[in-house]
Amino acid sequence: GQNIDQPTEMTATEGAIVQINCTYQTSGFNGLFWYQQHAGEAPTFLSYNVLDGLEEKGRFSSFLSRSKGYSYLLLKELQMKDSASYLCASMDSNYQLIWGAGTKLIIKP
Amino acid sequence: ETGVTQTPRHLVMGMTNKKSLKCEQHLGHNAMYWYKQSAKKPLELMFVYSLEERVENNSVPSRFSPECPNSSHLFLHLHTLQPEDSALYLCASSLNLRDSGYEQFFGPGTRLTVL
Repeated sequence: GQNIDQPTEMTATEGAIVQINCTYQTSGFNGLFWYQQHAGEAPTFLSYNVLDGLEEKGRFSSFLSRSKGYSYLLLKELQMKDSASYLCASMDSNYQLIWGAGTKLIIKP
Repeated sequence: ETGVTQTPRHLVMGMTNKKSLKCEQHLGHNAMYWYKQSAKKPLELMFVYSLEERVENNSVPSRFSPECPNSSHLFLHLHTLQPEDSALYLCASSLNLRDSGYEQFFGPGTRLTVL
């Protein structure tokens, strides 16, 4: 079956670095997406990886290892506004997104 | 209006009511999606439309009925729902259906409560 695993909740301190891990098993693979969702709002796109390696975009970076079925989202210089849920999704061979349940990130001052 | 809009934002209905959710995208996209989001669960894909043709129906009960009159508008008609259908219903669009690398843009969702 198809499955995405990510931690339910994480806590970090303002100004610090946090890494949110995601493992995936899907029928085929057409890339790995990360979305951010603030409470009561729409998910918004953060990053897309289809090749192995690290993609950096400002304070956020995303890593992919296809052989391990593994990705992580790295958030640096954490700000209070980064408190949100982070959703990992793998695109399968039918170009459908298979979603994880999301990681709720709590930032403390 | 820009992006993806959804109305209403909140809806409370009884189990015998009929209501409709509306989604509109102003991005010129060809694919549109309905998702159900329940607390602490992954997003569940309900329906997919590409150029107004339904291409996916993920075993959704018939009490949910989608309609896509054109590539910019998507409706979800609701009839005799159950309390377990209470959730956030999200609409999304993407440039094309079978292209990797194109992200989906989401609307703000309709928070549905079934009494």
